[in-house]
Amino acid sequence: KNQVEQSPQSLIILEGKNCTLQCNYTVSPFSNLRWYKQDTGRGPVSLTIMTFSENTKSNGRYTATLDADTKQSSLHITASQLSDSASYICVVTGAGTYKYIFGTGTRLKVLA
Amino acid sequence: EADIYQTPRYLVIGTGKKITLECSQTMGHDKMYWYQQDPGMELHLIHYSYGVNSTEKGDLSSESTVSRIRTEHFPLTLESARPSHTSQYLCASSTQGDTEAFFGQGTRLTVV
Repeated sequence: KNQVEQSPQSLIILEGKNCTLQCNYTVSPFSNLRWYKQDTGRGPVSLTIMTFSENTKSNGRYTATLDADTKQSSLHITASQLSDSASYICVVTGAGTYKYIFGTGTRLKVLA
Repeated sequence: EADIYQTPRYLVIGTGKKITLECSQTMGHDKMYWYQQDPGMELHLIHYSYGVNSTEKGDLSSESTVSRIRTEHFPLTLESARPSHTSQYLCASSTQGDTEAFFGQGTRLTVV
């Protein structure tokens, strides 16, 4: 069973709208959580990284939140653009380990 | 922009051929990783390295091999390619502090 679950699997929104992607994890003990954006056929690019002591972090129109108690994170995209169409991957690292645990991603499609 | 490069970006080869996928980074990172990703699926770790002369197998069993003779290079080799090796291969690197992982653009391999 994947230790990092993302929802929804896919999402279609209109340009200019906001959206929120969810990530639930069971990795414990927890070190940090990253959100990556992966365009089709490309490598993932980091959006945000949060440790257990951080609740929110922003990167332009992307805002990530983290609740380490409930082991949940969200990525909020404001005023979506066509270029936001991509897969968004939640990645969790356990404390004292090299391993990045990848979620299956949410495929976002922004329509004009 | 991450300074990690993969070549080739695309490769189509015949069954039984030997291939080497190149990965180079100019950031001086000690940790390097190889991931395999099928379309629409999550990344699976197949190899990692903590530094020169260090290589370990990842979570997903792979017939490929890797070497780490120099800090900046982490090539992956398939001695005899098969159609089941068709996939995208992503290389990544990170610092010892593990706060950020940078990915290459990936190599899309097709074995016919």
